[in-house]
Amino acid sequence: DGGITQSPKYLFRKEGQNVTLSCEQNLNHDAMYWYRQDPGQGLRLIYYSQIVNDFQKGDIAEGYSVSREKKESFPLTVTSAQKNPTAFYLCASRGRPGQNNYEQYFGPGTRLTVT
Amino acid sequence: DAKTTQPNSMESNEEEPVHLPCNHSTISGTDYIHWYRQLPSQGPEYVIHGLTSNVNNRMASLAIAEDRKSSTLILHRATLRDAAVYYCILRAGDMNRDDKIIFGKGTRLHILP
Repeated sequence: DGGITQSPKYLFRKEGQNVTLSCEQNLNHDAMYWYRQDPGQGLRLIYYSQIVNDFQKGDIAEGYSVSREKKESFPLTVTSAQKNPTAFYLCASRGRPGQNNYEQYFGPGTRLTVT
Repeated sequence: DAKTTQPNSMESNEEEPVHLPCNHSTISGTDYIHWYRQLPSQGPEYVIHGLTSNVNNRMASLAIAEDRKSSTLILHRATLRDAAVYYCILRAGDMNRDDKIIFGKGTRLHILP
């Protein structure tokens, strides 16, 4: 089945540790996105990548880093510099405009808790 | 980036139609209007999208104003499973434009049994 997988579903870390969230898609989509969602809030864009080996900062990129070495994968690292890392993290991908798969597809999310 | 404005929350009775409004007064000529919904503890899912004409699919209908500065998502017969946060967003239809997809806070729809 085609789709987006994020792992793990729940992640616990101690403050001061870096942590990497996985996002993989087998939809052959060009673009991938990372969003953060806090309780009762909307989605805020962290980073996005429209093509392999290229990515751009979203609205809240500070304290995060990404890589896009393969079309299928877009891992997000939450660094110790991120002041409030506890949140629900969502990964998404999309095809090209004009194609039937132009809409964004979202993964199930990773809930990160840092104590 | 083009922005959208939606009410924070709405209520509707089960089995009645629901009209969810969205304002997007700064929409550009090539922007598509997309709607997504997010059920509790899940990622958002695509609902419908359109450019100028009204659109229907199995989930909902999308009514777009003639000047394209507003749109309305219509759920024809709401069920309890439609209780979710609904997001209205604008998407670049021009492949050369940076497709920085921004979600607002959306409308939290409550369905009353």
